[in-house]
Amino acid sequence: DQQVKQNSPSLSVQEGRISILNCDYTNSMFDYFLWYKKYPAEGPTFLISISSIKDKNEDGRFTVFLNKSAKHLSLHIVPSQPGDSAVYFCAARGPYSGGGADGLTFGKGTHLIIQP
Amino acid sequence: GAGVSQSPSNKVTEKGKDVELRCDPISGHTALYWYRQSLGQGLEFLIYFQGNSAPDKSGLPSDRFSAERTGGSVSTLTIQRTQQEDSAVYLCASSQGASPLHFGNGTRLTVT
Repeated sequence: DQQVKQNSPSLSVQEGRISILNCDYTNSMFDYFLWYKKYPAEGPTFLISISSIKDKNEDGRFTVFLNKSAKHLSLHIVPSQPGDSAVYFCAARGPYSGGGADGLTFGKGTHLIIQP
Repeated sequence: GAGVSQSPSNKVTEKGKDVELRCDPISGHTALYWYRQSLGQGLEFLIYFQGNSAPDKSGLPSDRFSAERTGGSVSTLTIQRTQQEDSAVYLCASSQGASPLHFGNGTRLTVT
């Protein structure tokens, strides 16, 4: 049973526009959420995170929004740039949610393609 | 080194053979994780080390999989009698305290 779901395997966005990547979760014990970015043949790299006590966290062009009642989070990239083309993984963590002390559960990823 | 280092980067092996994958975490990172990513799937947790001990082995898919960590540093993931369904990218990550996981570039394993 997938606890973290990214329902869009891919997303195509024009350069300069806003990219919105979505993630849904089922485990109400999750209290910390992260986004990782992955280029081909490289490991995932940490991008941005948000604690469940917040509903928004911003870092430059990247903003993560959390809607706890809907168990939904999203990553906004504005403006989108060609270098943003990558696979984006949503991850969640909480007590006893498995995956070691850090307890990260990952979604399947969304492949973002930025078109020039 | 500056980052998590994994070797080999690619491994092709015949079904039934054993393979050993290596991970060098970031110096000073006490926590070490192994994940795998099969085609079209997310990152699947395999095992977690805190120092040399493995308090969470819940993700190991079968008893053909084992891992060890020595000196609180290097870790090896061993897969015995490999099967075709073991083909995947095996990713290692390390962390210290509450810091986000830092991943290596992975080992792409292909079982023919």
